[in-house]
Amino acid sequence: QVQLVESGGGVVQPGGSLRLSCAASGFTFSSYGMHWVRQAPGKGLEWVAFIRYDGSNKYYADSVKGRFTISRDNSKNTLYLQMNSLRAEDTAVYYCAKGADYGGNSYFDYWGQGTLVTVSS
Amino acid sequence: AIWMTQSPSLLSASTGDRVTISCRMSQGISSYLAWYQQKPGKAPELLIYAASTLQSGVPSRFSGSGSGTDFTLTISCLQSEDFATYYCQQYYSFPYTFGQGTKLEIK
Repeated sequence: QVQLVESGGGVVQPGGSLRLSCAASGFTFSSYGMHWVRQAPGKGLEWVAFIRYDGSNKYYADSVKGRFTISRDNSKNTLYLQMNSLRAEDTAVYYCAKGADYGGNSYFDYWGQGTLVTVSS
Repeated sequence: AIWMTQSPSLLSASTGDRVTISCRMSQGISSYLAWYQQKPGKAPELLIYAASTLQSGVPSRFSGSGSGTDFTLTISCLQSEDFATYYCQQYYSFPYTFGQGTKLEIK
């Protein structure tokens, strides 16, 4: 069965950096686009970033563009999110989500359990 | 970016009721719309994609309709496990966007 397990969350000071990981199993990771989606405490869902199955295309929400970098290692079945210049408003649970297709125009058919990132001094 | 207006934000209903949640887009998205259910402390789960296609394993009391700019999620005969928060999401173009969410609570 499909499993997505996020790790790397924690408490970081404003301006700091953090790298999230998402270990995937139960499907051919290298054949699907992958996403990061976040949810601030008590708030709704916000799409953060997308990477195509082969890493050739990446897209970002305006709120994180230039600060966050999505990447993947298909040999390790792992998705990453490098987060730099963190702000208080980046505090959220971060979910990795599997795209239903190799590229864009795909919904999220599986989600991880999420990892909490708290940006606070 | 495509803006989404989801309504209502809060919906009170009883077990056995039929409820409808709406999602309106700022521009046409064909049928590139999905619906998700989220329970407290849990990750969202996919209910419907392509506006009206039920995800495998989702009960048939859930249905979706619409295309272009106006979409609807209907839950017929509410069960206790359906009380949760529901989100619509467009995947027509980046940046992907979600509706604000509808919390379905027990009346």
